[in-house]
Amino acid sequence: GQNIDQPTEMTATEGAIVQINCTYQTSGFNGLFWYQQHAGEAPTFLSYNVLDGLEEKGRFSSFLSRSKGYSYLLLKELQMKDSASYLCAVLDNYGQNFVFGPGTRLSVLP
Amino acid sequence: NAGVTQTPKFQVLKTGQSMTLQCAQDMNHEYMSWYRQDPGMGLRLIHYSVGAGITDQGEVPNGYNVSRSTTEDFPLRLLSAAPSQTSVYFCASRRGRVGGRLEKLFFGSGTQLSVL
Repeated sequence: GQNIDQPTEMTATEGAIVQINCTYQTSGFNGLFWYQQHAGEAPTFLSYNVLDGLEEKGRFSSFLSRSKGYSYLLLKELQMKDSASYLCAVLDNYGQNFVFGPGTRLSVLP
Repeated sequence: NAGVTQTPKFQVLKTGQSMTLQCAQDMNHEYMSWYRQDPGMGLRLIHYSVGAGITDQGEVPNGYNVSRSTTEDFPLRLLSAAPSQTSVYFCASRRGRVGGRLEKLFFGSGTQLSVL
């Protein structure tokens, strides 16, 4: 079976750092992706991890531990425009389809 | 570059009506898929295709049909709409895997469907 968990909602202050966690239990694993989705819009790709460790992309970093079934997305120097939902997705054991978590809605306050 | 084009943006149906959601991509992507997004449940895969003439079921295929006669188009058909199909629908595509490299999904802008 497939099970991906994320916190439902988080709140942070402009300029701060926030960490959004994702835990997964899936029958196979071929990579973990993070997507950003603003309200009423389509998801857009942020980053992905295949191997353990940290991937950095500007203000965004993503970490993966395959042995723990755990990932996090780190957002630094938060801006108001970062208010959005963040979706964690695991690529299945055939490397074909994504299984998405429920998403974490982040609110950035001034 | 248009990317993934999805129509219509909004649709209201009565129970029992049928309709087709259109999806087209101009990136020559092999893989195309349809998801539905419901509050608190994330994106769930309905159907997918790995190339023209090939389709397969995802997690929640009941009540939906798809076809892939060309690389560009992947329409989703609701055969007899039910209130449980009220949702936001997203079409998404990506390239096939090349040399083990993972390819991200590109999403259409979504269709908000209400079934009364």
